Amino acid sequence: LAKTTQPISMDSYEGQEVNITCSHNNIATNDYITWYQQFPSQGPRFIIQGYKTKVTNEVASLFIPADRKSSTLSLPRVSLSDTAVYYCLVVLTGANNLFFGTGTRLTVIP
Amino acid sequence: DAGITQSPRHKVTETGTPVTLRCHQTENHRYMYWYRQDPGHGLRLIHYSYGVKDTDKGEVSDGYSVSRSKTEDFLLTLESATSSQTSVYFCAISPDRGPQPQHFGDGTRLSIL
Repeated sequence: LAKTTQPISMDSYEGQEVNITCSHNNIATNDYITWYQQFPSQGPRFIIQGYKTKVTNEVASLFIPADRKSSTLSLPRVSLSDTAVYYCLVVLTGANNLFFGTGTRLTVIP
Repeated sequence: DAGITQSPRHKVTETGTPVTLRCHQTENHRYMYWYRQDPGHGLRLIHYSYGVKDTDKGEVSDGYSVSRSKTEDFLLTLESATSSQTSVYFCAISPDRGPQPQHFGDGTRLSIL
């Protein structure tokens, strides 16, 4: 079964680009990788999703290399309000095969 | 936010008692999910539903049962609560399975003494 692995924590200064990587073995060509953001006492919120190469939206980019064994969430210029826990989710064939990473706690420093 | 309401938001109960958590949605989404969140484990899928009376197990389903008698309600039941089930429980919904972003409720903090 595919499992996901993320760094436990990261620190960054305001205005810097932050890259958070998620490792996920054994995913198929059409399996999607989704990233969520979670603030304390709230549920996770969708950030971005993709299954190959690069996806970009107004808040982030998602890079998925050809071997698809990892993916990287890129936050272009972080602010203090980006301090949160970030989770990757791999959706495998069949909805019961949903695997969240253990989350990366990002702390943005002034 | 998507219309998802979890109740209760907080509950303290004793080992061995039955507990039911409710998730209510106003989005008419087909899929509903229950997760638990624990330190060091992130979010783990307990059960999910893909329609009225249609449910399936997730990664950590032992000790939990679910029911969905209406599109808008998905109930999670701990038949006989144990201290290991102390956790924060999240409900999520999505229009369909696969590459559909899930929208989460704000969670239920459950403490079993």
